[in-house]
Amino acid sequence: GQQLNQSPQSMFIQEGEDVSMNCTSSSIFNTWLWYKQEPGEGPVLLIALYKAGELTSNGRLTAQFGITRKDSFLNISASIPSDVGIYFCAGPTSGTYKYIFGTGTRLKVLA
Amino acid sequence: NAGVTQTPKFQVLKTGQSMTLQCAQDMNHNSMYWYRQDPGMGLRLIYYSASEGTTDKGEVPNGYNVSRLNKREFSLRLESAAPSQTSVYFCASSERSLAGNTIYFGEGSWLTVV
Repeated sequence: GQQLNQSPQSMFIQEGEDVSMNCTSSSIFNTWLWYKQEPGEGPVLLIALYKAGELTSNGRLTAQFGITRKDSFLNISASIPSDVGIYFCAGPTSGTYKYIFGTGTRLKVLA
Repeated sequence: NAGVTQTPKFQVLKTGQSMTLQCAQDMNHNSMYWYRQDPGMGLRLIYYSASEGTTDKGEVPNGYNVSRLNKREFSLRLESAAPSQTSVYFCASSERSLAGNTIYFGEGSWLTVV
């Protein structure tokens, strides 16, 4: 079945650094969603992308829908300690409402 | 604004016991989902319901049943719990906007099977 591969699996960065992570699929997606999950909580939607090439920002976060429709990227600028968490990409499998999730990128920010 | 509400938040079961996780959403969404998340892992889809009256299997449906009781409610039942079902369970719902779909999650239910 379809899978979403995220990289890197984990990151340790210094406060103030920029962060980049990506998500790739073996098949085309029509929607890309990015979530953040903090310990003991459910995932929270950060950014939704609906068109190939789309670039969308939410504060210090910027995400892009890859033009091949098989990948997406999330950037965090000037990281702060509260950015710590797991970041997931997600999307609906072709022609369905069945959302699948990537394996996550674990981010730790060192003050 | 409640969003997606799941109960119970924590539950300990003995192997072989049954239980039902309840989920309700107040956003008038058509689609609802149940996911499980194992330690250090991503979310895996158990079952989903594209609309009221329909349910479909996800990636890991074995050992579970679901009921889409009405548009608001989607329950997940474990008929005979096994230790492998120890996990965090998340209910979610999705809207269909003019731009596309987005999916929203509940806070999770921590289930331990001993």
